Amino acid sequence: ETGVTQSPTHLIKTRGQQVTLRCSSQSGHNTVSWYQQALGQGPQFIFQYYREEENGRGNFPPRFSGLQFPNYSSELNVNALELDDSALYLCASSLATSLGTDTQYFGPGTRLTVL
Amino acid sequence: AQSVTQLGSHVSVSEGALVLLRCNYSSSVPPYLFWYVQYPNQGLQLLLKYTTGATLVKGINGFEAEFKKSETSFHLTKPSAHMSDAAEYFCAVSAPGGGNKLTFGTGTQLKVEL
Repeated sequence: ETGVTQSPTHLIKTRGQQVTLRCSSQSGHNTVSWYQQALGQGPQFIFQYYREEENGRGNFPPRFSGLQFPNYSSELNVNALELDDSALYLCASSLATSLGTDTQYFGPGTRLTVL
Repeated sequence: AQSVTQLGSHVSVSEGALVLLRCNYSSSVPPYLFWYVQYPNQGLQLLLKYTTGATLVKGINGFEAEFKKSETSFHLTKPSAHMSDAAEYFCAVSAPGGGNKLTFGTGTQLKVEL
């Protein structure tokens, strides 16, 4: 069973640029959630995707957007980068069924630095 | 709305001593509760979770937590600390379903000393 993977591991961008982060779900999972973890803080929910549709969003501006693909992998896109976007971005996958959605399992994260 | 409060951003214990990390939650619906551990430069690893049923939950690496509804608490314990337990620990709450949005606390950094 393959776990959640993310790429790249580290990324450096400058203010105003755009970035795309990628996530591959754990085998058998159909739901992906993205979290932002600023230094010294707990993760904050950005949004969740289920069956290629956004299924819940946290308090993040529209310049944070995402995609989920038919193979359940996902991308997080951030436009017009700001210094405060510097953080560890975590992807988590889970399995949603008619009985509910199971536990989320996290990837290792992508460390984004905005200069 | 849900929230989590972790008392003590830093906890230090001696190797072999009891580990107690505190978590209190607020939730308008019966909560699902989680403890995750994060080692330096890594993602989050699930330690244990409470959904329904037995209020004492056992997890990996000898950790356990007890759901106390009357105290709105879900404290994490381990009888005997090991050096390898040094990490950051996060308590999280979600609405029933587990895979819904997780709301995390700010974390507790556990230091284990010889």
